[in-house]
Amino acid sequence: QVQLQESGPGLVKPSETLSLICNVSGVSINTYSWTWIRQSPGKGLESIACLYNSGGTDYNPTLNSRVTLSIDSSKNQFSLKLSSVTTADTAVYYCASQVPTGYLLQWGQGTLVTVSS
Amino acid sequence: DIQVTQSPSTLSASVGDRVSITCRASQTIGSWLAWYQQKPGKVPQLLIYKASTLYSEVPSRFSASRSGTEFTLTISSLQPDDFATYYCQQYHNYPWTFGQGTKLDIK
Repeated sequence: QVQLQESGPGLVKPSETLSLICNVSGVSINTYSWTWIRQSPGKGLESIACLYNSGGTDYNPTLNSRVTLSIDSSKNQFSLKLSSVTTADTAVYYCASQVPTGYLLQWGQGTLVTVSS
Repeated sequence: DIQVTQSPSTLSASVGDRVSITCRASQTIGSWLAWYQQKPGKVPQLLIYKASTLYSEVPSRFSASRSGTEFTLTISSLQPDDFATYYCQQYHNYPWTFGQGTKLDIK
């Protein structure tokens, strides 16, 4: 059974970098594509970026310049860094498995990240 | 970005009712649309992909269709477990975009 679990700080100061890790179990990370989604009351569900199992990436243009994705196959995990955060980046952040075409199979439980001084 | 307009935002219904939720895309997306169910405090669960294909183990009372850029999710006979929020997602072009959600509650 595929399981995903996000981890990272729940509180980040404005202008700092938000860093999250998604640990994947039950399947090799090389099997699927992987994506980050966030959900906030004001903006609903928003795509952040995705890593395709082909090695390619896609980024939401509104966040592109601030996003860094990486994958660590040895640890079966992938990560997200979002720099120069503001209060608008406060949201529940989800990692999810994705078929290459783009629908989402399994989601992590989500982690609330609050941006506040 | 492709905009996806979902309606209604809330829907009140009773057990046994037939209900429908609609998503309209701002441009052609073929059949690249998925539907998810999210219960309070839980993560979204995939129901439908490629506009009308039922995902594994999803009850057959769920169905979906496409007409051009309009997509409809139908629940034929509401069960107590179905009261939740439903989202559509286009995956024709990245960034994937989601509808604003339809909260289905008990009348």
